[in-house]
Amino acid sequence: GAVVSQHPSRVICKSGTSVKIECRSLDFQATTMFWYRQFPKQSLMLMATSNEGSKATYEQGVEKDKFLINHASLTLSTLTVTSAHPEDSSFYICSARRGGTNEKLFFGSGTQLSVL
Amino acid sequence: EDQVTQSPEALRLQEGESSSLNCSYTVSGLRGLFWYRQDPGKGPEFLFTLYSAGEEKEKERLKATLTKKESFLHITAPKPEDSATYLCAVQDSGGSNYKLTFGKGTLLTVNP
Repeated sequence: GAVVSQHPSRVICKSGTSVKIECRSLDFQATTMFWYRQFPKQSLMLMATSNEGSKATYEQGVEKDKFLINHASLTLSTLTVTSAHPEDSSFYICSARRGGTNEKLFFGSGTQLSVL
Repeated sequence: EDQVTQSPEALRLQEGESSSLNCSYTVSGLRGLFWYRQDPGKGPEFLFTLYSAGEEKEKERLKATLTKKESFLHITAPKPEDSATYLCAVQDSGGSNYKLTFGKGTLLTVNP
């Protein structure tokens, strides 16, 4: 099956630093990737939709200047949490849309961000 | 606004004890309903997509069904390795780019 690779799986950083998370589709081209945030025992909340070669579309309440998304190629999207604070600590998950006749959404393994 | 409610929040079963998980949804128009399995600290793993009321899909011990208001994930004779959080998500027919709305999930624990 299709694989989506997400790195790093876990990151601990100091408050005020920036953290970059990568999401790669390994065996298909993903024109659309999504970034979700998940708090413990809560549902996945969509943060933004990333389209290759264009600006990301952010969901209401998500700060675009804080969560920078870059989708420079058909297989790579990155999420940078800028000037991270403890309240940004969460589980971040990316997903990639494989189009075609058997359209599906595949998820990365997630990144646990802990901001001290 | 699309809404997805899953019940129960948690379910504990003995190995071999069959049961069902519920996903109730509200959408203006359903394009697809999805079931995922999520293990702790991992991303969701795709299980099923259902598109229209009456549709059923099976995979090993799992069977998903769909009505106009809800979906059930039936687990037959579960094993401890079926322990996970099961997520339900819907895609609105008016939406674009495959945007999904997720429920909070049902944490299933199967004891040996």
